[in-house]
Amino acid sequence: NAGVMQNPRHLVRRRGQEARLRCSPMKGHSHVYWYRQLPEEGLKFMVYLQKENIIDESGMPKERFSAEFPKEGPSILRIQQVVRGDSAAYFCASSPMAANGELFFGSGTQLSVL
Amino acid sequence: KQEVTQIPAALSVPEGENLVLNCSFTDSAIYNLQWFRQDPGKGLTSLLLIQSSQREQTSGRLNASLDKSSGRSTLYIAASQPGDSATYLCAGVNFGNEKLTFGTGTRLTIIP
Repeated sequence: NAGVMQNPRHLVRRRGQEARLRCSPMKGHSHVYWYRQLPEEGLKFMVYLQKENIIDESGMPKERFSAEFPKEGPSILRIQQVVRGDSAAYFCASSPMAANGELFFGSGTQLSVL
Repeated sequence: KQEVTQIPAALSVPEGENLVLNCSFTDSAIYNLQWFRQDPGKGLTSLLLIQSSQREQTSGRLNASLDKSSGRSTLYIAASQPGDSATYLCAGVNFGNEKLTFGTGTRLTIIP
């Protein structure tokens, strides 16, 4: 059973470009969470999704950020018109059917905006 | 709003010693608390999960405790090894809230 898979591992974008980060949860997990870790800061919650539904997006910036978890395929975190302040490590986590279960994290995507 | 604090931010300990990492939280309505380790440039590895009905969990040389009344959790590492060097994070989930709230971590260095 593979763990949570995130790709790409590293992503470099110029200001104004779009960044798409992908996350495949562990097999059998239908709950996906995205977190962001800024340099020298802790992990901050961004969004919680179940298949085809956004459950809690209270941590998402109001503009330029969106997330989806389609019926088929990985969860996608999309950042439009990136700015330097978006440079961070973005982590995805998944948990099994039962809510409030143990979370398993991927290795993260390191986004660098030039 | 749940706030999680970890003190100290950094800790250096000679190899072989036992040590305790501290985590405190402000809201005692905690559903579970999870301890992770993070190696530089890497993701998070789950170490231990304590449900609200439990007081402690053990895995190998690690023991985590949870005291909701005092708003504290501790991670005890026995017979520390250089491979234990990492940043240790605690995170809690509150009742009715699906998301983990993380502390800022303790960066542990085991000196050979």
